[in-house]
Amino acid sequence: EAQVTQNPRYLITVTGKKLTVTCSQNMNHEYMSWYRQDPGLGLRQIYYSMNVEVTDKGDVPEGYKVSRKEKRNFPLILESPSPNQTSLYFCASRGWGGSSPLHFGNGTRLTVT
Amino acid sequence: DAKTTQPTSMDCAEGRAANLPCNHSTISGNEYVYWYRQIHSQGPQYIIHGLKNNETNEMASLIITEDRKSSTLILPHATLRDTAVYYCIVSANTGTASKLTFGTGTRLQVTL
Repeated sequence: EAQVTQNPRYLITVTGKKLTVTCSQNMNHEYMSWYRQDPGLGLRQIYYSMNVEVTDKGDVPEGYKVSRKEKRNFPLILESPSPNQTSLYFCASRGWGGSSPLHFGNGTRLTVT
Repeated sequence: DAKTTQPTSMDCAEGRAANLPCNHSTISGNEYVYWYRQIHSQGPQYIIHGLKNNETNEMASLIITEDRKSSTLILPHATLRDTAVYYCIVSANTGTASKLTFGTGTRLQVTL
């Protein structure tokens, strides 16, 4: 089944403790992206990647890192999480060329205390 | 990518057609109009997209005005399960236009 898989679904951590949220897609998509969603603010793009070893900042990149060493994986790294990064996170991917739509993962709810 | 404007919320009676508008007056010639929806806190779900012509699939119809400055998503027979936030975004699927901006969408409430 074609899908975008995020792990974990829920994560509670403390301020300053490094964490990684994984994202994997099995559709051979070139483009991958991370979003965060907060009440009243909609979906905001954090980082995106157009292919292996190519990443770029979205609208809210501060406090986050990403890497794209393999086509299928696009982990989101929080080196020193803070409470204002408490949010619902979504990973998405799409193929390149034409008009292929985004496919989203089921989300990761992160709480930083 | 072009900015979109949607109403904050809409209501629709079950069984009736739900018509969700979207304005995208600064859309470029190579930008598509996409519609997604999000049910509760699940991952957004793709519904439909189009460039110039009207489109229809098993979920919905998309009507794009001739000048492409606005569009309407039509759910022909809304059900309670269609209650969700609907997002309209415009984007060119090219290397220089990859920052997809969603906005806050339209919250559609389908009622009995």
